This record gives sequence, structure tokens and C-alpha cells, in this order.
Amino acid sequence: QVQLVQSGAEVKKPGASVKVSCKASGYSFSDNYVNWVRQAPGQGLEWMGIINPSVGRKHYAQQFQGRVAMTSDTSTSTAYMELSSLGSEDTAVYYCARGGGTSGYYFDTWGQGTLVTVPS
Amino acid sequence: SYVLTQPPAVSVAPGKTASIACGGDNIGSKSVHWYQQKAGQAPVVVIYYNDERPSGIPERFSGSNSGNTATLAISRVEAGDEADYYCQVWDSISDHRVFGGGTKLTVL
Repeated sequence: QVQLVQSGAEVKKPGASVKVSCKASGYSFSDNYVNWVRQAPGQGLEWMGIINPSVGRKHYAQQFQGRVAMTSDTSTSTAYMELSSLGSEDTAVYYCARGGGTSGYYFDTWGQGTLVTVPS
Repeated sequence: SYVLTQPPAVSVAPGKTASIACGGDNIGSKSVHWYQQKAGQAPVVVIYYNDERPSGIPERFSGSNSGNTATLAISRVEAGDEADYYCQVWDSISDHRVFGGGTKLTVL
């Protein structure tokens, strides 16, 4: 079955960077977009950006431009999201989510989430 | 960028129908997707492209979209339906995926 498995929880100091991985299985990794979505404690879902693993093309939400980098490795079917210049406001659960269908406009499969904590 | 507005909370008695609204400017011209998120879990898609239901999602879940409001309806509500529900669209102008603020469904 289609599955996305993310790396474990992280605790980072303010100003540091974090890199979260998302390993896909059960489908051809290059055939679907991978999105990243985060959720601060007690808050809603926030879309961060998207990557096309086939060609490496990416598109980031405006509020993360210059601070986020999404990459993918088709040899290991793994997507990565790196967020830099961390502040306490970046404390959140970070999810990867597969784009559904050919357009990728919705999310048909989600990873289990990775908690990133940035103590103030 | 495009804004989606949801009521923060909806309450419903077991066995009744819950309706969760998602408002947006001419949202009827867009495709709306809905996610269910139970406490401590990742979201799960329950409706995509306005009214399509993924395999494994009960027929009790349905969606509609017209004018400035999209609606997720859950008929014969069960205790297990208690969760946060989010609507989502693709904004063609910004090429961003956009979420509503979420609605907490409480089963009385």
C-alpha cells in the first residue's frame, strides 16, 4: 500500500536549521508531487510548498520563501524539507503529503508527521 | 492570496446530519477537498474534487460546492466522526494550496 514514513522528532536551538525526510513506498515515487504541510500546536494546517520528484521543480509558499528548501532523491524514493533560521514560532508537526491524481491539487496520502521543537 | 473561511466549531447529536461550511470568493468555480483529522493523527482525505469519496470512506460523507460556499455533510453521525475537518483548494493565481482554518466537530 502507499505509505510515507517520516524521520523522527527533533529539538533545535533558535537560529539553527532542521531537515526532515519522507520515504515513500508502494508506488512509483516520480509519478506524484510531494507537498509539505505544517501544524503548530493547537492550530490549523499550513501549506509550505511542493516538489515534483521527477524533475526536481519546486514551488514554495510565499511566507517561507528564502528559508525553506525542498529536495528529492529518486534513487531512495525520499523527499526532504529543510527549514532554516528557526524560531520558536516554527515549533510544529511537519507532514509530507502525496499529491493526489495527475494534477496533485489535493493530498491523498500523508506521512505520520515529525514534531520539531524550537525552545524559546 | 485566496482565503477560505470555516466555522470554528459545529455540534451535532448522534444519528443526525452535520453540515460544515467552507466559504470563499466564487468557490463554486474551484475544486474543494476535505480532510478529517482525529486527535493526535495525521489528516485523511474524506472528499476530493467537491464530491468524490476515496475508497474506504463511508457513504455517509458527501460534499457539494456552489456559489460562495462548499459544504461537507456527514449523515447518521457517529461518535467516531468527532474530529477537526479542513477544506482545501488550489489557488490558480498563486499556484498555492490553501487550507481553511478548520472546524471542530463535536458529537453530543
